[in-house]
Amino acid sequence: AQKITQTQPGMFVQEKEAVTLDCTYDTSDPSYGLFWYKQPSSGEMIFLIYQGSYDQQNATEGRYSLNFQKARKSANLVISASQLGDSAMYFCAMREGPNTGNQFYFGTGTSLTVIP
Amino acid sequence: KAGVTQTPRYLIKTRGQQVTLSCSPISGHRSVSWYQQTPGQGLQFLFEYFSETQRNKGNFPGRFSGRQFSNSRSEMNVSTLELGDSALYLCASSLGPLRSYGNQPQHFGDGTRLSIL
Repeated sequence: AQKITQTQPGMFVQEKEAVTLDCTYDTSDPSYGLFWYKQPSSGEMIFLIYQGSYDQQNATEGRYSLNFQKARKSANLVISASQLGDSAMYFCAMREGPNTGNQFYFGTGTSLTVIP
Repeated sequence: KAGVTQTPRYLIKTRGQQVTLSCSPISGHRSVSWYQQTPGQGLQFLFEYFSETQRNKGNFPGRFSGRQFSNSRSEMNVSTLELGDSALYLCASSLGPLRSYGNQPQHFGDGTRLSIL
């Protein structure tokens, strides 16, 4: 089974609108961390937001928020007020805890295009 | 604060050769991880080094190896290059080892794009 699943290969959003990028994960470890990264066409990976498995509240960082639904094992990224500079690949990632190998897993990514 | 630095940015090699890639982490970061990114397989974890010791290893053949120096700089070596090794190789650093609980984002370098002819 895939550790991280991103089912949207490509998404389009109108500038200034909000968009949700989907991510589901699979782990048996009770301790894990979930991350979202942005990769512009230039190639660098930029850390956006983090959610710990024991965090009670959804994480927020500026225009980014993470809709964490633990029972469903989903960690969707919400970008509010989209900007042209948000056009990029977005990767969901998970770091498992010590019970299951401590590795980092990435999804296949979602390509977001912001339309003016 | 300088970011993660990877050298070289681009590399062209032929089959059968070997290559060494370098990564300098953010100052104070002691964990360095390496990833291979290809259009077909996406981002795949190669290995992680912390305090000069390999802590985790992904599912790659023994041709892929690495090491970490006392200043936390890391090198990755690929021997007997194959066409399928063409990829973007990303290095990421974090304060502590991946097994640490808590907010431990990895900070990535710009990558080394390796092309095998």
